[in-house]
Amino acid sequence: GAGVSQSPSNKVTEKGKDVELRCDPISGHTALYWYRQRLGQGLEFLIYFQGNSAPDKSGLPSDRFSAERTGESVSTLTIQRTQQEDSAVYLCASSLGGLDKRGQETQYFGPGTRLLVL
Amino acid sequence: AQKITQTQPGMFVQEKEAVTLDCTYDTSDPSYGLFWYKQPSSGEMIFLIYQGSYDQQNATEGRYSLNFQKARKSANLVISASQLGDSAMYFCAMREGPMYGGATNKLIFGTGTLLAVQP
Repeated sequence: GAGVSQSPSNKVTEKGKDVELRCDPISGHTALYWYRQRLGQGLEFLIYFQGNSAPDKSGLPSDRFSAERTGESVSTLTIQRTQQEDSAVYLCASSLGGLDKRGQETQYFGPGTRLLVL
Repeated sequence: AQKITQTQPGMFVQEKEAVTLDCTYDTSDPSYGLFWYKQPSSGEMIFLIYQGSYDQQNATEGRYSLNFQKARKSANLVISASQLGDSAMYFCAMREGPMYGGATNKLIFGTGTLLAVQP
């Protein structure tokens, strides 16, 4: 499809295990973002990539969280030693990295990965 | 301090009527952008409308319009002729700083308003 895709759709894991979440942005989008949405809450910014570099990692909640992006395409968010408070929906978004036809930096979101840590 | 405030946790509106969802923001940066997203129960985030801080006119996209009052730092979303399919969570978000040359284009989100359209 033409939109942002994420995998897996759902992930259930045990406390202490590591998880990897994947994001495939829209082709040609140089900017990629990860957000977290806890139940009943708004979205919290985690990290921003421009190309393969991450100029803003300010939202990563702890050193258990890391992310990388390769080939200016796919990104992986890794959570090590998961805790119950990591349970949330993890949303990825991408944007052109420049003005789109509407003249603004519109972020397009994927369907999210629902993570449940038991 | 909250950067984006949505004071209405939930709202009802009758089908075919107009509804206004409130959003106020706080920033000292002269350059910023304001966004509204819709999140149905399926969970995807759907972009609705954008307003730049230097835009002279209020943004409109079909049945959606943004009532931008810069001095009051408000960016309310108006949905005209509500439809049953408009029932969803609505999030207001802000990008601080210029689109170019800024360190980040991250969005700061409010807590959302749950809109229920009644037949």
